[in-house]
Amino acid sequence: SQQGEEDPQALSIQEGENATMNCSYKTSINNLQWYRQNSGRGLVHLILIRSNEREKHSGRLRVTLDTSKKSSSLLITASRAADTASYFCATSPSQLVSNFGNEKLTFGTGTRLTIIP
Amino acid sequence: DGGITQSPKYLFRKEGQNVTLSCEQNLNHDAMYWYRQDPGQGLRLIYYSQIVNDFQKGDIAEGYSVSREKKESFPLTVTSAQKNPTAFYLCASSMVGLADTQYFGPGTRLTVL
Repeated sequence: SQQGEEDPQALSIQEGENATMNCSYKTSINNLQWYRQNSGRGLVHLILIRSNEREKHSGRLRVTLDTSKKSSSLLITASRAADTASYFCATSPSQLVSNFGNEKLTFGTGTRLTIIP
Repeated sequence: DGGITQSPKYLFRKEGQNVTLSCEQNLNHDAMYWYRQDPGQGLRLIYYSQIVNDFQKGDIAEGYSVSREKKESFPLTVTSAQKNPTAFYLCASSMVGLADTQYFGPGTRLTVL
């Protein structure tokens, strides 16, 4: 079953605005990762946040993690047309959940982001 | 130029035929993965391998087979037993552990005619 679920499923904003996507998950995690996928291409890793971290930044990206609510958000500031893509969260279960050895990633269904020029 | 490559980019198969998708990496990564992606969906894990000559089934392994004879290579065979093989197939690798960042190839789009 899917561990991460993104919200919203689709988002359209004007260029220059900020875009926020959310990811909720069910079980305790080791880390949570965000990936981007341009249409018909492979996924590209954006950022990894560990379970003991609350916020990370990378350029125009800001990721937060709330383990008490089992949720994460990805904020893209000052959006550009090139940010148009699908964004996926992926979770790796904690060792207690995975029985110490099977912390493989589980991907959500993604948020499709469209930036309108 | 380091990375992960997949070939071919597009593949057409007649029903009843087996077909093999290639995946090669020169990142010196131990772990490799195969995912299937259907339109508008997330990724589902088919098989993964953490070490040469060893691999594990993922969530949807039925109708697929893999081999890991070399660290650099992890080919996927879609057999005639796979009921609905038309999909986008993605190969990925990670340095060591299953929780590590994954690096993806460009994908192979398989269409069954």
